[in-house]
Amino acid sequence: QQQVKQSPQSLIVQKGGISIINCAYENTAFDYFPWYQQFPGKGPALLIAIRPDVSEKKEGRFTISFNKSAKQFSLHIMDSQPGDSATYFCAASAGPQGAQKLVFGQGTRLTINP
Amino acid sequence: DAGVTQSPTHLIKTRGQQVTLRCSPISGHKSVSWYQQVLGQGPQFIFQYYEKEERGRGNFPDRFSARQFPNYSSELNVNALLLGDSALYLCASSLYWSSYNEQFFGPGTRLTVL
Repeated sequence: QQQVKQSPQSLIVQKGGISIINCAYENTAFDYFPWYQQFPGKGPALLIAIRPDVSEKKEGRFTISFNKSAKQFSLHIMDSQPGDSATYFCAASAGPQGAQKLVFGQGTRLTINP
Repeated sequence: DAGVTQSPTHLIKTRGQQVTLRCSPISGHKSVSWYQQVLGQGPQFIFQYYEKEERGRGNFPDRFSARQFPNYSSELNVNALLLGDSALYLCASSLYWSSYNEQFFGPGTRLTVL
């Protein structure tokens, strides 16, 4: 019940296209859903995050869509650029009172072809 | 401004040995969390410390221990190393303990157990 399932494992998109990564969860106590971007040799960096009181959040070219009833959320990268090539992780955590425990998905290796 | 720093960058140990990894959080950050990232997988939560107190522990054996110092830096200790402990160990810091607070990750320590 603590798992976050992420798909696809790898994704190749042409420059200018839309990259879509999906995640699903089971634990209904999760109420914070961040996306992280990780480049080789670096730690993950927060890209964008959403709380379940909204169904969509947009920051620049990055959008999170959230479906509470389906327990699914996704990351959309518009106008994908070669610099977006990285590994992306969705994550989830439960409640402000609990530990700062992020449960991560398996990751998606995104390649943007020029 | 300096981000989260971790030392050493790389470490090679043999089975049965003990290892200590170090983390310095961003200045002013009081919470430190540790994660294990096995190659090709998402990070897994090990510990969270806030104001020198353990606030959360992941599903790891007692061979793993940690502590936080008065200057908020932290150490992760792993005893009786196993081959399966080979991973990237990530430290993350945040201002406060809540899961809603953004966690900033360091570049990690790559541990190889032979």
